Amino acid sequence: DAGITQSPRYKITETGRQVTLMCHQTWSHSYMFWYRQDLGHGLRLIYYSAAADITDKGEVPDGYVVSRSKTENFPLTLESATRSQTSVYFCASSDIWDKNTEAFFGQGTRLTVV
Amino acid sequence: KNQVEQSPQSLIILEGKNCTLQCNYTVSPFSNLRWYKQDTGRGPVSLTIMTFSENTKSNGRYTATLDADTKQSSLHITASQLSDSASYICVVSDDNYGQNFVFGPGTRLSVLP
Repeated sequence: DAGITQSPRYKITETGRQVTLMCHQTWSHSYMFWYRQDLGHGLRLIYYSAAADITDKGEVPDGYVVSRSKTENFPLTLESATRSQTSVYFCASSDIWDKNTEAFFGQGTRLTVV
Repeated sequence: KNQVEQSPQSLIILEGKNCTLQCNYTVSPFSNLRWYKQDTGRGPVSLTIMTFSENTKSNGRYTATLDADTKQSSLHITASQLSDSASYICVVSDDNYGQNFVFGPGTRLSVLP
């Protein structure tokens, strides 16, 4: 199916463990983004990627690592999960960096760190 | 600091009624303003995108307005339906390329039968 998909939808992990959230898009969009959504806050950008092998930090990158070896995949890794990283994570993609271009969001991954 | 504020925080209306959601921003330089609808447990879905020169844009029963001078936007929903129950998020781009988003906290709308 065409679109942007995230996996898993729900994840519970323990403090200190490494966890990877997956994001896959079928449009061959150049740009991909990772956001986190917390109660009382708007979505905040963690990392983004302009193309394969090109990534850059967003507003809240600490504790996260990303890679983009293929255009369609943009995994987000929490190297050593902390309770403050309990959140809902959204992946998004867009075709080009343009003020009228649509950005499409995945369904989200709800991560709980215990 | 670039910020987007939305009001009210939450709103309850009866099915069939109209409502208006507000967005104020202090984002500069302004590139565009978007309204997204986010159903519970889902990702945001775009409703409208407006650039500096546009002051009204419609998408079905949704009409967004933009006043770039006062840095205010509104989203008007006409003849509400139960399926309109969702969070509505105002998003402003703060760079010339338009994809560096500043998200508002959202307004939670509940439409009751």
